[in-house]
Amino acid sequence: EAGVTQSPTHLIKTRGQQATLRCSPISGHTSVYWYQQALGLGLQFLLWYDEGEERNRGNFPPRFSGRQFPNYSSELNVNALELEDSALYLCASSWELNRGNSPLHFGNGTRLTVT
Amino acid sequence: GNSVTQMEGPVTLSEEAFLTINCTYTATGYPSLFWYVQYPGEGLQLLLKATKADDKGSNKGFEATYRKETTSFHLEKGSVQVSDSAVYFCALRIYSGGGADGLTFGKGTHLIIQP
Repeated sequence: EAGVTQSPTHLIKTRGQQATLRCSPISGHTSVYWYQQALGLGLQFLLWYDEGEERNRGNFPPRFSGRQFPNYSSELNVNALELEDSALYLCASSWELNRGNSPLHFGNGTRLTVT
Repeated sequence: GNSVTQMEGPVTLSEEAFLTINCTYTATGYPSLFWYVQYPGEGLQLLLKATKADDKGSNKGFEATYRKETTSFHLEKGSVQVSDSAVYFCALRIYSGGGADGLTFGKGTHLIIQP
């Protein structure tokens, strides 16, 4: 069974540009989560998509947005990039029928560097 | 709100030593508890989980018991190996009626095992 896949592995952008990160969940998983792992700040919850809808978002500005496609894959868009957006962005998927009990399965992340 | 507190480290041990990484939580409701491990350059891997009080999760020689009375989920291993060197994250997940939310993570504990 293929795990969660993310692309690209690395992404280098300049301040003010836009970045698009992509995620394919494990087959059969309907929920996708995005997390930011910045140096020294731990894992911060960004967004949760389930069945194509945004279910919850963390404490991030509106320039962080995303969507989930009918095949449950997802993309994260970051507009007007700032230097502090440099981080590892992790995508995770889960199977939501066991509400709250299902673990999240993570991809290896996209390393975004803003210069 | 929900939160997880764990020792940040780094924790440095010699091979074959006994390991304990403390984790305590605060939650409004009855969470499921998880330990994840992150090896250098990789995403997070689920190590073990427990979904109700007194459950013991175990995997690869690691174990943790869900203690509701002390709101704790300490990770233990009887004899660590150099290959256990990684960052360990304690996390909780809770169903709040409106749907399951994502994971709330501790800040991670960097474990270094010396030969």
